[in-house]
Amino acid sequence: GENVEQHPSTLSVQEGDSAVIKCTYSDSASNYFPWYKQELGKGPQLIIDIRSNVGEKKDQRIAVTLNKTAKHFSLHITETQPEDSAVYFCAASERNTPLVFGKGTRLSVIA
Amino acid sequence: GAVVSQHPSWVICKSGTSVKIECRSLDFQATTMFWYRQFPKQSLMLMATSNEGSKATYEQGVEKDKFLINHASLTLSTLTVTSAHPEDSSFYICSARDGRGLNTEAFFGQGTRLTVV
Repeated sequence: GENVEQHPSTLSVQEGDSAVIKCTYSDSASNYFPWYKQELGKGPQLIIDIRSNVGEKKDQRIAVTLNKTAKHFSLHITETQPEDSAVYFCAASERNTPLVFGKGTRLSVIA
Repeated sequence: GAVVSQHPSWVICKSGTSVKIECRSLDFQATTMFWYRQFPKQSLMLMATSNEGSKATYEQGVEKDKFLINHASLTLSTLTVTSAHPEDSSFYICSARDGRGLNTEAFFGQGTRLTVV
């Protein structure tokens, strides 16, 4: 089955700097890669996703890149703000199979 | 975006009692819903896949007789934790996908924090 590795587990950045979180996956059949933001005591919120036919996707300050050959994908947050502080999870799946999540990255943006 | 509503958001129960958690897709039909459990500072672990009109598929190590799942309609799935024990205390989260397309986004409910005393 699919296995998703996520790094780093914690990340602290100064406000305004960029943050990068990286994930690798094992199943070459996976073709859907979402990223979720989870705030304390709440369910995960989808922030961006990418499918295997696309190499990069951007939405304002957030971008995701995908390298299918290397089986890794990354989340990039630019101009970080304190409200970006949360736990971020990457995930992977094939078609409508259940998402397999990484272990999460706790991002702290220091004002 | 699509909305998934989960209820209750938190519940405290006594050991040995049962607790039901509801998950509703509010503006789309979800042929498949997923139930996850999340312990503090850990990732989401899939418990089971709930299919409308059929039996749920449980992940290895998840007791189907303890975690009863019912998916009676295209907008509602329920998880019942039977004979709850303190070790069942956790954050339970449901997820639903719009059944009309392939590989569509998965939306999550707000989660239910279960505390068994």
